[in-house]
Amino acid sequence: QVQLKESGPGLVQPSQTLSLTCTVSGLSLTSNSVSWIRQPPGKGLEWMGVIWSNGGTDYNSAIKSRLSISRDTSKSQVFLKMNSLQTEDTAMYFCARILQWSHFDYWGQGVMVTVSS
Amino acid sequence: DIQMTQSPSLLSASVGDRVTLSCKASQSIYNSLAWYQQKLGEAPKLLIYDANSLQTGIPSRFSGSGSGTDYTLTISSLQPEDVATYFCQKYYSGLTFGSGTKLEIK
Repeated sequence: QVQLKESGPGLVQPSQTLSLTCTVSGLSLTSNSVSWIRQPPGKGLEWMGVIWSNGGTDYNSAIKSRLSISRDTSKSQVFLKMNSLQTEDTAMYFCARILQWSHFDYWGQGVMVTVSS
Repeated sequence: DIQMTQSPSLLSASVGDRVTLSCKASQSIYNSLAWYQQKLGEAPKLLIYDANSLQTGIPSRFSGSGSGTDYTLTISSLQPEDVATYFCQKYYSGLTFGSGTKLEIK
C-alpha cells in the first residue's frame, strides 16, 4: 500500500526558510519519482518541482531560485527547502508520486503552511 | 508557455444528469492530459490520464475525451459524492494545472 505523508512547521515567518519532509511507504525512492505541489487557500494547484528516481531534480522556473528538493533513500524521505518566504507562499503543500514527465497517481494528505509574523 | 483554461468555473447539476467539463489548451498538448477530483479538505485524486485512460478504481461513469487543444471530462450520471472541484493538468511541455471547475448539486 503506497502512502505519502508530509510534515513540517505550520507557521513560518516572512523571509525565513521553509523545510518540509515527505515520508514515503510502499515504494522505493530509487525507482520512483516524487514531486511537490502547492495550493494557496481557495486557489488552484502549482507544480513546484520533482526529484527523479535517479536523484536528478527539475524545478518550476517561477520559483527555481528559491527551491531545493533532496532525498534520503535509506529513510524513504523527500525534502523541500524554500527560502525567502513571503505571505503569498501561504498554501497547502502536497507531495505526490509522478510517473515520468506525466501525471500524479499517489498524493499525500498535505500540510498547511502559513507565512506570517 | 501553454495556458490551460477550464470552463465553466462553477457548474450546478442535478443527480443523474450527464455532466461535461471542459479544458482547453492554448496549443496542442497531444493527449498529454490528466483529470483530478478534489473534495473539500482532501488531496486531489487522479481520475483520467492520457486524456482518456481511466485510473484503476475509478467508477466507469467518469470518462475523458478530446484531442489537440480541447479536452472533456464527462460524468455520465452525476452522484451526490461527485461534489468536488475538478482540475485538468497538462504534461506536454511542462506541468501545469487548470484553474478548476467546482461542481455542485442543484
